[in-house]
Amino acid sequence: DGGITQSPKYLFRKEGQNVTLSCEQNLNHDAMYWYRQDPGQGLRLIYYSQIVNDFQKGDIAEGYSVSREKKESFPLTVTSAQKNPTAFYLCASEPTGDSYEQYFGPGTRLTVT
Amino acid sequence: GQNIDQPTEMTATEGAIVQINCTYQTSGFNGLFWYQQHAGEAPTFLSYNVLDGLEEKGRFSSFLSRSKGYSYLLLKELQMKDSASYLCAGMDSNYQLIWGAGTKLIIKP
Repeated sequence: DGGITQSPKYLFRKEGQNVTLSCEQNLNHDAMYWYRQDPGQGLRLIYYSQIVNDFQKGDIAEGYSVSREKKESFPLTVTSAQKNPTAFYLCASEPTGDSYEQYFGPGTRLTVT
Repeated sequence: GQNIDQPTEMTATEGAIVQINCTYQTSGFNGLFWYQQHAGEAPTFLSYNVLDGLEEKGRFSSFLSRSKGYSYLLLKELQMKDSASYLCAGMDSNYQLIWGAGTKLIIKP
């Protein structure tokens, strides 16, 4: 079964700790995205990558970092510099071509106290 | 600036029809998307319109007017499982998606 997996579903961390969210896809998609979703707001783009070993900042990249060492994997690290890290984080991938449809993982709900 | 506007919440009755509107302002335009998102789950793709007009896909239809910066999603023969949030997103000239906050649709028996 092809798809996108994110783990874990729920994550709890203490303030001041870095945490890494996993995103894996076996759809053979080139592009991958990280979004943050907060209540009452649209999805906001954190980082995206259109090819291995290359990634771009989105609208709210401050306090986050990513890597794209493999086509299948696009982990997101939420650093202690992120002021309001508690949110629902969604990873998505998109095939090359004219489709533009993004396929989303199930999300990780991060709570930082 | 870039902006997507859609109603925060709508209520409809099982078996009825509901129309969810979306207005957009983007820097350039490369299409308008609708996604469905059940609470706590991933958004799933419903439709993509890049040309004016209505596109029908089963019980769901999506309409686009580029001159008015306006789209709507039409859901017919509503079922309880249609209770979800519906996200409108416009694609700008850089092929980036600008997302609305979503419309929470509540279906009553």
